[in-house]
Amino acid sequence: SAVISQKPSRDICQRGTSLTIQCQVDSQVTMMFWYRQQPGQSLTLIATANQGSEATYESGFVIDKFPISRPNLTFSTLTVSNMSPEDSSIYLCSVEDLRGAGREAQYFGPGTRLLVL
Amino acid sequence: AQSVSQHNHHVILSEAASLELGCNYSYGGTVNLFWYVQYPGQHLQLLLKYFSGDPLVKGIKGFEAEFIKSKFSFNLRKPSVQWSDTAEYFCAQRSSYKLIFGSGTRLLVRP
Repeated sequence: SAVISQKPSRDICQRGTSLTIQCQVDSQVTMMFWYRQQPGQSLTLIATANQGSEATYESGFVIDKFPISRPNLTFSTLTVSNMSPEDSSIYLCSVEDLRGAGREAQYFGPGTRLLVL
Repeated sequence: AQSVSQHNHHVILSEAASLELGCNYSYGGTVNLFWYVQYPGQHLQLLLKYFSGDPLVKGIKGFEAEFIKSKFSFNLRKPSVQWSDTAEYFCAQRSSYKLIFGSGTRLLVRP
């Protein structure tokens, strides 16, 4: 499976500011996703990061709040904009490579733990 | 909307006890199911996956899961747990391109 790294691993931010989270994969992958894991809760998909085009957002998530970039097949960023304490979560990048002969699974990065004061 | 249910939120076992964690999924055509584990301080790791074929799936670290279509279930099992199995376990179902996760089960194994 791919090796996925995220930066920063954690951060404490003031409300009203923005934070950009980076996700780097050690090999080219077809699909990249961003999930959120709120305290004590399960994972929820924010959006699919599409290379060369706008991300596909899930219900309840919008581009103005969570702009996403994916300039190539190994890198993506998620920005959490105009943060409020409700944005305190773990943000996870996941990848899936659909080019193989067999079905694959999604693999997750280590996550970015965000606390908004 | 598709959903995944994990009915056991917290499980406490002694070492060497047998484990079974429940997972029920909602019907959505082709069934792709997963179990992930998150050890304390570590990232989410894939334990096992089911796409088709043998309904008994073997994963890493001695875990297995059985897909029972008639019950919409994909329960995770391990015959003898170890202290190192203390973690949070998530069941997930693929829905198109995305994963739908259950709420997770926190397992504590006492030495």
